[in-house]
Amino acid sequence: QQPVQSPQAVILREGEDAVINCSSSKALYSVHWYRQKHGEAPVFLMILLKGGEQKGHEKISASFNEKKQQSSLYLTASQLSYSGTYFCGTDLNAGNMLTFGGGTRLMVKP
Amino acid sequence: DTEVTQTPKHLVMGMTNKKSLKCEQHMGHRAMYWYKQKAKKPPELMFVYSYEKLSINESVPSRFSPECPNSSLLNLHLHALQPEDSALYLCASSQVWGSTEAFFGQGTRLTVV
Repeated sequence: QQPVQSPQAVILREGEDAVINCSSSKALYSVHWYRQKHGEAPVFLMILLKGGEQKGHEKISASFNEKKQQSSLYLTASQLSYSGTYFCGTDLNAGNMLTFGGGTRLMVKP
Repeated sequence: DTEVTQTPKHLVMGMTNKKSLKCEQHMGHRAMYWYKQKAKKPPELMFVYSYEKLSINESVPSRFSPECPNSSLLNLHLHALQPEDSALYLCASSQVWGSTEAFFGQGTRLTVV
């Protein structure tokens, strides 16, 4: 079953922060985050395994609440290069058989 | 080399044609995947190969036939497709078949006429 992402779209000014949420109705083994720019391949951002860990990658970080089966992606001090569609992918049993959410379109304006 | 290379980039085929999509990686990855992505939709998993063996077929119609001739190469053979099969076909690979980073190719944009 497809995870639910929110918001569906967000427009930011450079330097602003954003949070993207991903929610599943099933118990998850891991949550994967990818960014896809128009006409390009999805690019891996990070994986969060069950255990409630939080990860960071420069100004992008994420958390995974195992009890609620929810993950959030935090984008701080956004840059123009952050524009794209963000997908969360959920993995139920460590098989990398990802089911992607509907995506969040992020646009960062100067 | 952290690239997954897909050819061709664009393909137009008739409903009676037979064509193949090719995917190649030289990262030593032992898991490879085919995804289908319709416009403004997320990628949908089609097949998973692990150590050159088909491990997962997500109920894909038989007009799509995957093949993994060796650890670096993954093909998707197409036959008697329908216009609704038009989509971006993405190949991905990961080090092993498990919850780990996957590298995606740029995709083949397929149009069935």
